Amino acid sequence: TQLLEQSPQFLSIQEGENLTVYCNSSSVFSSLQWYRQEPGEGPVLLVTVVTGGEVKKLKRLTFQFGDARKDSSLHITAAQPGDTGLYLCAPIRGHVNRDDKIIFGKGTRLHILP
Amino acid sequence: NAGVTQTPKFRVLKTGQSMTLLCAQDMNHEYMYWYRQDPGMGLRLIHYSVGEGTTAKGEVPDGYNVSRLKKQNFLLGLESAAPSQTSVYFCASKREDLRYYGYTFGSGTRLTVV
Repeated sequence: TQLLEQSPQFLSIQEGENLTVYCNSSSVFSSLQWYRQEPGEGPVLLVTVVTGGEVKKLKRLTFQFGDARKDSSLHITAAQPGDTGLYLCAPIRGHVNRDDKIIFGKGTRLHILP
Repeated sequence: NAGVTQTPKFRVLKTGQSMTLLCAQDMNHEYMYWYRQDPGMGLRLIHYSVGEGTTAKGEVPDGYNVSRLKKQNFLLGLESAAPSQTSVYFCASKREDLRYYGYTFGSGTRLTVV
């Protein structure tokens, strides 16, 4: 059974500050996805990282996949109230186009104070 | 709008009652999933389907049944509801190319069993 940990569980910071959240595991993954879930809605895909060491940027969000493909981080620069939500990581074990299901982490609940 | 539609959005059941949650997608996706989301537990996979007429168990299948008689619909049944099944239920679907499109989620069904 893979162990998947997201940290911190909760984070509340002021608008304009920077933050980093983490997704760590004891297993190696072929790729990993990050989703954001807003209150009352289902999760929405933000990014997929595939290669060890890969860095992807989505406006003020920077995603990194660890060199060993066991962990990932999400860094947000100059956080905005619109970044508030639950951030979920979803590691993919098999081939990304053939894996039939993914298991989600418990998430980091982020609250940006205006 | 194309996507995943879940009905109903809210429901209150008495212990021992039965009900069916409906998930419909109009994206011609092969794969469909039912998750439940509870505070502190993240998203947990109940059952899933890799195509019309097929179903498989996820992490927490006990107390639930599913059917996929048509490609666009995935039904989740509770035969005898228990308070432990109070949760928010999410349906998701995906196409073959998980890497670029990820899962598409519905907005959820909030179920309370009293």
